[in-house]
Amino acid sequence: AQSVTQPDIHITVSEGASLELRCNYSYGATPYLFWYVQSPGQGLQLLLKYFSGDTLVQGIKGFEAEFKRSQSSFNLRKPSVHWSDAAEYFCAVGGASGGSYIPTFGRGTSLIVHP
Amino acid sequence: NAGVMQNPRHLVRRRGQEARLRCSPMKGHSHVYWYRQLPEEGLKFMVYLQKENIIDESGMPKERFSAEFPKEGPSILRIQQVVRGDSAAYFCASSPNGMPVEKLFFGSGTQLSVL
Repeated sequence: AQSVTQPDIHITVSEGASLELRCNYSYGATPYLFWYVQSPGQGLQLLLKYFSGDTLVQGIKGFEAEFKRSQSSFNLRKPSVHWSDAAEYFCAVGGASGGSYIPTFGRGTSLIVHP
Repeated sequence: NAGVMQNPRHLVRRRGQEARLRCSPMKGHSHVYWYRQLPEEGLKFMVYLQKENIIDESGMPKERFSAEFPKEGPSILRIQQVVRGDSAAYFCASSPNGMPVEKLFFGSGTQLSVL
């Protein structure tokens, strides 16, 4: 069965510092990978996605993520964090074959930004 | 173009009562997904529906829970005889495509509290 592991429950960074949120997945074939962000009291919004091609994908709000097949990872990065980035971040995996096409989400990482 | 609309935002029920959660997908979307979010557990898939059909209900509890997406009107997630363990945030998402899911558009959720 497909699964997603986000090993960090909370991450605290200072405003202006760089950020990396970790995500490891398990999937039977080439996965579709996603990062979503959830602000308090809101639904999830798609930040970026990887289906195929270039393993470094760019998303909204200055975020990027890199697909590393050998490590089964899809870590999210941002070079300089803004206070408005404080939110819950979810990694998800789905696909067209080798597993369920319905995205499976990780437990989330809560990002805290200090001024 | 309205997004995914869920109502109510907050629902309080006493043990044994019924809860009905509504979801209107984005215009033009015929695929609806329900997820449940428990604290620090991420989003758990419950059910995937298309108009008048349940496509995948592998995440639905076997008893007390049901879902529908009629030809006209919103999708309904129904929980009969609620118990305290049903307290959670329930999110609906829609997509224009089914297999594979390339992007989910989420509503703001319904927070169910069972007293």
